[in-house]
Amino acid sequence: NAGVTQTPKFQVLKTGQSMTLQCAQDMNHEYMSWYRQDPGMGLRLIHYSVGAGITDQGEVPNGYNVSRSTTEDFPLRLLSAAPSQTSVYFCASALVGRTEAFFGQGTRLTVV
Amino acid sequence: GQNIDQPTEMTATEGAIVQINCTYQTSGFNGLFWYQQHAGEAPTFLSYNVLDGLEEKGRFSSFLSRSKGYSYLLLKELQMKDSASYLCAVRSFTGNQFYFGTGTSLTVIP
Repeated sequence: NAGVTQTPKFQVLKTGQSMTLQCAQDMNHEYMSWYRQDPGMGLRLIHYSVGAGITDQGEVPNGYNVSRSTTEDFPLRLLSAAPSQTSVYFCASALVGRTEAFFGQGTRLTVV
Repeated sequence: GQNIDQPTEMTATEGAIVQINCTYQTSGFNGLFWYQQHAGEAPTFLSYNVLDGLEEKGRFSSFLSRSKGYSYLLLKELQMKDSASYLCAVRSFTGNQFYFGTGTSLTVIP
């Protein structure tokens, strides 16, 4: 059982480049989300989705886009990377309701 | 909105008991969750409370008081491997989102 799979694990981008962080889950979870984690800031919610075709903004959405075309996949797109987006990114999924979230292994992104 | 507070750092001795507190203010509550995160790894789920009271899972227990917006995680018989960051999170009733505190870094010393 793979759970939540994120790719890539590490990435270095130049300022202005674009890229997509991939997230897939095989647990048939309706809820999927993206967080960034910076030292001293905890996990901050970027975007989330409660089902295919439904997305919404979290606490820090600027500079990021998402889409949810299938239940399984929830990619995060950086259209024009900035050094301020250097961070560790986590994808998480859960069933809707009173249940816990499961996390992917994270993507460490450096923008130079 | 959400406002989740927990201490930044704590130190405890191997074999002892430690209590990590979390206070929260939220518009729409659907559970209080505790996660453990070792350095360089993903958070892993420990415990959650929806109703007031104590939930026990082996060496870990979690308590919730919804009227006070307060929870704690109790770790008993501390082991060196318990050195990690402990994250308090609140799940929203309306949008199902999870909001996290900044985490408490626990160091267990011999």
